[in-house]
Amino acid sequence: DAGVTQSPTHLIKTRGQQVTLRCSPKSGHDTVSWYQQALGQGPQFIFQYYEEEERQRGNFPDRFSGHQFPNYSSELNVNALLLGDSALYLCASSSTDSPANTGELFFGEGSRLTVL
Amino acid sequence: GQSLEQPSEVTAVEGAIVQINCTYQTSGFYGLSWYQQHDGGAPTFLSYNALDGLEETGRFSSFLSRSDSYGYLLLQELQMKDSASYFCAVRSLNTGGFKTIFGAGTRLFVKA
Repeated sequence: DAGVTQSPTHLIKTRGQQVTLRCSPKSGHDTVSWYQQALGQGPQFIFQYYEEEERQRGNFPDRFSGHQFPNYSSELNVNALLLGDSALYLCASSSTDSPANTGELFFGEGSRLTVL
Repeated sequence: GQSLEQPSEVTAVEGAIVQINCTYQTSGFYGLSWYQQHDGGAPTFLSYNALDGLEETGRFSSFLSRSDSYGYLLLQELQMKDSASYFCAVRSLNTGGFKTIFGAGTRLFVKA
């Protein structure tokens, strides 16, 4: 059973460019959340997708956008990259929200973005 | 808004017991989780508390007091491999559904 997979693992961009990061959730999971993790910090919530719609959003500008496909995979897009966007971008999948479950998040290994 | 506070660093010796505290402020609180992250790795789920009290999973235990907006992670019989960052995370429920927000993390150093 494949866990959460993300691509690419590493990438380097320059200021002003655009980037697309991809995530395949764990088998059986239908909810995908994206987090940004700066070095030495905790994961910061960007947004969450369920049924191909953005259901929740953190305090990130509109330059950050996403998409979820019918097979539950997801993309994170960042436009007009800034130096401060350099971070590890983590994708986490979970099963449909249910009061009975723990909401356990399964994380991918992340995509490390460097903006020069 | 939502906020979580936890110590930035803790150091302990092998075989000892360590407690990592977490206080939180949030609306729609549903539960408190703990995650472990080794350098260069992905965060992995350790435990979850929705109700007051202690949950035990092997060497790790987690406690929650909803009235105090407080929880802790207890690690017993520390091993070198426990050196990692530990994050408390609040699960909240609002009109959009469930969301999980993480604290800044506590870096645990285990010494021989």
